[in-house]
Amino acid sequence: LAKTTQPISMDSYEGQEVNITCSHNNIATNDYITWYQQFPSQGPRFIIQGYKTKVTNEVASLFIPADRKSSTLSLPRVSLSDTAVYYCLVVFPGGGNKLTFGTGTQLKVEL
Amino acid sequence: GAVVSQHPSRVICKSGTSVKIECRSLDFQATTMFWYRQFPKQSLMLMATSNEGSKATYEQGVEKDKFLINHASLTLSTLTVTSAHPEDSSFYICSARDPQGLGYTFGSGTRLTVV
Repeated sequence: LAKTTQPISMDSYEGQEVNITCSHNNIATNDYITWYQQFPSQGPRFIIQGYKTKVTNEVASLFIPADRKSSTLSLPRVSLSDTAVYYCLVVFPGGGNKLTFGTGTQLKVEL
Repeated sequence: GAVVSQHPSRVICKSGTSVKIECRSLDFQATTMFWYRQFPKQSLMLMATSNEGSKATYEQGVEKDKFLINHASLTLSTLTVTSAHPEDSSFYICSARDPQGLGYTFGSGTRLTVV
């Protein structure tokens, strides 16, 4: 399983764009990159998933360079409610494959 | 999207007793479910993979006789913490693969406190 490395914590202010970068040097050819958000005392919530280049949904954007050894989760105009832990995972999309969580990034958004 | 319902959300039990946690997939079938444990300010640690109709697969270091997993139907997996001790106090979370392919969906978690 590819190991991921991301910053332990980040601070931001409301209205700013936040970019969280994740390193996954050993990503395999068939692996996808997935990001989850977790609030205290809740289960993680799926945010976005991608394989290469750029993926955008109503919540975030995911940028993946050509070598796929890193990825960047971009949260536009964050608010206080975006304060959470964000996990980057690399997973083979076949059914039944387990997820291995890294340390995650604690994002703190202030006024 | 797919929903996984987990109960109870909180439970307090006495040392030596057993506690059962249920994880149900709503409106979809899950042949495989995953059980995680999370201690305060730490990441999720996979405990075991629950397989419908067969034995669960436990991660290294997880006692299978202490953490009993049953996956008797395509929509229900249960985790029973047997002879619980204070060190078993933790946040337990289950998950299943989203049938629409959008990653994995997680239950809301169960806060277990053993006193």
